[in-house]
Amino acid sequence: DAGVIQSPRHEVTEMGQEVTLRCKPISGHNSLFWYRQTMMRGLELLIYFNNNVPIDDSGMPEDRFSAKMPNASFSTLKIQPSEPRDSAVYFCASTSWQSLIYTFGSGTRLTVV
Amino acid sequence: GESVGLHLPTLSVQEGDNSIINCAYSNSASDYFIWYKQESGKGPQFIIDIRSNMDKRQGQRVTVLLNKTVKHLSLQIAATQPGDSAVYFCAEEYNQGGKLIFGQGTELSVKP
Repeated sequence: DAGVIQSPRHEVTEMGQEVTLRCKPISGHNSLFWYRQTMMRGLELLIYFNNNVPIDDSGMPEDRFSAKMPNASFSTLKIQPSEPRDSAVYFCASTSWQSLIYTFGSGTRLTVV
Repeated sequence: GESVGLHLPTLSVQEGDNSIINCAYSNSASDYFIWYKQESGKGPQFIIDIRSNMDKRQGQRVTVLLNKTVKHLSLQIAATQPGDSAVYFCAEEYNQGGKLIFGQGTELSVKP
């Protein structure tokens, strides 16, 4: 298994532009998580899905952030419009139902200038 | 609660020594704890976990200790190697809701 696959690895965009981050979870995993990592705030949970359904989005910072999981093998995190303070590393993780041992992807480093 | 800071706590050890990384958690109702290791440029990787009905659990070269009385968790690494250099995070299951809340992290530096 190739693990959790995130794309792109790096993204540099201008303020105001739309950014879409992508994640392919491990096949057979039912739960998917989006985290954001910064030096100031550490690893923050943004949203998670069980069986493609959003369960808890209380960590999504603003309405500019949205996440979807149209099927069991794909999820997106979108920021529109992006702002410099959104610059961070965004991680996707997946796990089997009721397991808390997450497998993380390699992350997407987002820089908004 | 969540701590905010510009610098991670750092632990520097000599190769071959034992390392102890500490973590304080906030929620006395948490019943599951887990340690992750994050190497530069990579996502966090699972190391070891423990449930609140245990106070110690051992893996290969690693031991996790849980003290529920003072809400403290520690990770012990035996015979630390240069490959152990990384940032180590503890995490707790929040309100049994199936989601992990991560601590600030500690950077471990191993000197050859």
